Amino acid sequence: QKEVEQDPGPLSVPEGAIVSLNCTYSNSAFQYFMWYRQYSRKGPELLMYTYSSGNKEDGRFTAQVDKSSKYISLFIRDSQPSDSATYLCAMRGSSASKIIFGSGTRLSIRP
Amino acid sequence: GAVVSQHPSRVICKSGTSVKIECRSLDFQATTMFWYRQFPKQSLMLMATSNEGSKATYEQGVEKDKFLINHASLTLSTLTVTSAHPEDSSFYICSAPRGGDEQYFGPGTRLTVT
Repeated sequence: QKEVEQDPGPLSVPEGAIVSLNCTYSNSAFQYFMWYRQYSRKGPELLMYTYSSGNKEDGRFTAQVDKSSKYISLFIRDSQPSDSATYLCAMRGSSASKIIFGSGTRLSIRP
Repeated sequence: GAVVSQHPSRVICKSGTSVKIECRSLDFQATTMFWYRQFPKQSLMLMATSNEGSKATYEQGVEKDKFLINHASLTLSTLTVTSAHPEDSSFYICSAPRGGDEQYFGPGTRLTVT
């Protein structure tokens, strides 16, 4: 079993829809949770960074962490074609431990 | 704007030659940087942790003599792919933590070995 599981997609939704991306994990030591967006042939861009359980909102993006269920989500409201990219969840334990990435979900927003 | 840069963005080299990739933190110091490799449509695989002033720490299965890492200063880490072969063709990405614990990634370097 992988430490972090993420549905690879592809996921295709119409413009304006709410997108829900999810990851599950098995290591209860994970404390820091991130979402990255990666466009084709580019480096990952940090979208959201959260510590422990709870919600965090930034513009059209909301990250949720449920440590009891070992489940994290990223919601994108009013999705735009420019949101089409691969979204990677990532997590780690202490600040010194390495980051474990999900496999990434390919998202396509149809105009 | 970008907080981590990489150079070159793309490189093509002949089999058997060596290639150096630079990773720089912009406007901040990074005692630790990370090097990843990414194959098409796959996630990032951590290759090694670059430590300023000491030896790099390599992940299991990564050949340290083939992928030489030098953390020359608090803003620069280099990855040298020695005696490159076609199977080394990949997308190489570095990252560095800034401020708290947030990792910022460089734009990546696409290596093609012919």
